[in-house]
Parts: sequence; C-alpha cells; structure tokens
Amino acid sequence: RKEVEQDPGPFNVPEGATVAFNCTYSNSASQSFFWYRQDCRKEPKLLMSVYSSGNEDGRFTAQLNRASQYISLLIRDSKLSDSATYLCVVSKVGSSNTGKLIFGQGTTLQVKP
Amino acid sequence: ETGVTQSPTHLIKTRGQQVTLRCSSQSGHNTVSWYQQALGQGPQFIFQYYREEENGRGNFPPRFSGLQFPNYSSELNVNALELDDSALYLCASSFKAQGNTIYFGEGSWLTVV
Repeated sequence: RKEVEQDPGPFNVPEGATVAFNCTYSNSASQSFFWYRQDCRKEPKLLMSVYSSGNEDGRFTAQLNRASQYISLLIRDSKLSDSATYLCVVSKVGSSNTGKLIFGQGTTLQVKP
Repeated sequence: ETGVTQSPTHLIKTRGQQVTLRCSSQSGHNTVSWYQQALGQGPQFIFQYYREEENGRGNFPPRFSGLQFPNYSSELNVNALELDDSALYLCASSFKAQGNTIYFGEGSWLTVV
C-alpha cells in the first residue's frame, strides 16, 4: 500500500465548477500536510499547507481529518488556469525531517471552457 | 524564481552508463534533497544532505549516491543506469531550522535508452 494515496483522475470540469480532491495517508506519525501544484513538465510548487482546523486561500479550501487520516482540497469557481496536477504531500515533523516529503501520485485536473 | 538551479535540463544516456546531475541551492540554504519522479507518478524521496553529510535516504539502491559541497551545492550520481531510471530528477533546498519550507529546482529530465 502506498503511504499517500490519491485518485489520479483525470477530473474534467467546466469553468466555474467546484471540484474536490481527496487523499489518504497511512502513517499516523505524519505531522505536516500540504497540497502542491505541478504544471506539465514543471517542478511542483507549494499551493497551501493544510491544518487541522481547515484553511482557506481564496478559491481554495483544504481540510485535514487526523482521525481518518484524510486530506481534502476544494477548488471553487474553477478557472482554465487551474488545470494542473495536484499533489497531496505529507511529512513527519521535526527539523531532522526537513525536506523529506512523501508525495501522492497526483490528481490531474482539466478545466474546460 | 526559486533560486535553485539544476543542470543539465535534459540528457539521454545508454543503459549501463553513469550519470551526474548537479544542483545549486538557494542562497543560505544548508539542506538539499533529491527526488525522482517517473512519468505519471509523484516525486519519490531519494536522499537528503545536510552540511555535507547524508541525512536520510529513501528506498533507492546504493547505485544512487550523492555529494554535498561546502557551498551547499549538490550532486546526484547514478551508476549502471537502467531503463526504469528514466525520470525527472528534482532537487529541493531548504534551511534546516525553517521547518518544511522547501524550494524545488526545475529538474533534470533523464532518458535511458
């Protein structure tokens, strides 16, 4: 079983739609959680961190459920520019683990006009 | 943009050959991590270097090795290349005391034929 699992998609949605991505992780010792965005043939870029209380950044909302070991990302009012692969990422806390990130497979989103 | 530069950007090698990939970290960053991203997969952690010492390793065989230099730049070496080594190799730099804020380079695309 993979340590971080995501539905690879692709998710094909019209502009303006709301889309949700889900992710589960297997290691209960995981302490830090992120969503990264990766455009085709480019490097991953941090979209947002995910906190237990949930957090929002504009059209993007991230949620974490530690009991279920489940992370979600909601994108409202989808734009064409949101088309990308979204990577669910976890890591263990602690300075000795800085930079050791565990990535899911990624979920591909294609927003169509 | 991130201050992390990688070279070469693209290369083609023959099975059995050796390859060296290079990474210059962002100014002031003392930690470098390397990731392998196969097509359609998320990045997989190879290893991390902190102050010229290996500081953690993922599930990769010994033919994957690395170095970090006093200026914190780094090399990834892969011996006895196999076809499955074809992937995007990503370097990420961070400053150990700043938690999990890491910055990726644009990557090196390796094709093994």
